[in-house]
Amino acid sequence: DAGVIQSPRHEVTEMGQEVTLRCKPISGHDYLFWYRQTMMRGLELLIYFNNNVPIDDSGMPEDRFSAKMPNASFSTLKIQPSEPRDSAVYFCASSLGQGPRGYTFGSGTRLTVV
Amino acid sequence: DQQVKQNSPSLSVQEGRISILNCDYTNSMFDYFLWYKKYPAEGPTFLISISSIKDKNEDGRFTVFLNKSAKHLSLHIVPSQPGDSAVYFCAASNGGDKLIFGTGTRLQVFP
Repeated sequence: DAGVIQSPRHEVTEMGQEVTLRCKPISGHDYLFWYRQTMMRGLELLIYFNNNVPIDDSGMPEDRFSAKMPNASFSTLKIQPSEPRDSAVYFCASSLGQGPRGYTFGSGTRLTVV
Repeated sequence: DQQVKQNSPSLSVQEGRISILNCDYTNSMFDYFLWYKKYPAEGPTFLISISSIKDKNEDGRFTVFLNKSAKHLSLHIVPSQPGDSAVYFCAASNGGDKLIFGTGTRLQVFP
């Protein structure tokens, strides 16, 4: 099993540009989570899906952020327009079944907005 | 509002000694707690967990202690090894699907 796969690993973009982060969860997992890591707030939950349906997006900071999960094997997190304060490491995680015990994280995407 | 707090951003311990990482939480509805370990350029990986019905869980060199009255948990690593150098995140759940994480503590184990 290749684990949770995120792309790109690094993204540098100019302020105002659209950024799309991608995630492929572990096959068979029915939950997918997007987290953001910053020094000040640690790992923040942005949004999570169950069976491709968004369940809780209360952590999405602004309308500039959106996430989709068109099928069980793919999810995107989009920022449009991007701002320097969006610079962080974004992690995707997946799990099987309800409950947090089986989270598997991807390696993250380091986003830098200049 | 930070529901899970790790007040020590960093900790430095000599190899062979005990490392103690602390975590405080504010939500009394949390019923499951976990520790994750993160190396640079990698995602966090699960380390150890504890249910609120217990006050201690041990797995090899790692032990987690839970004090519900104080809303406090701690991770003990003994003996500490250089390979334990990483960022450790405390996380909590209230029985739902999602985990609430703390800000992390960077542990450095030196020879």
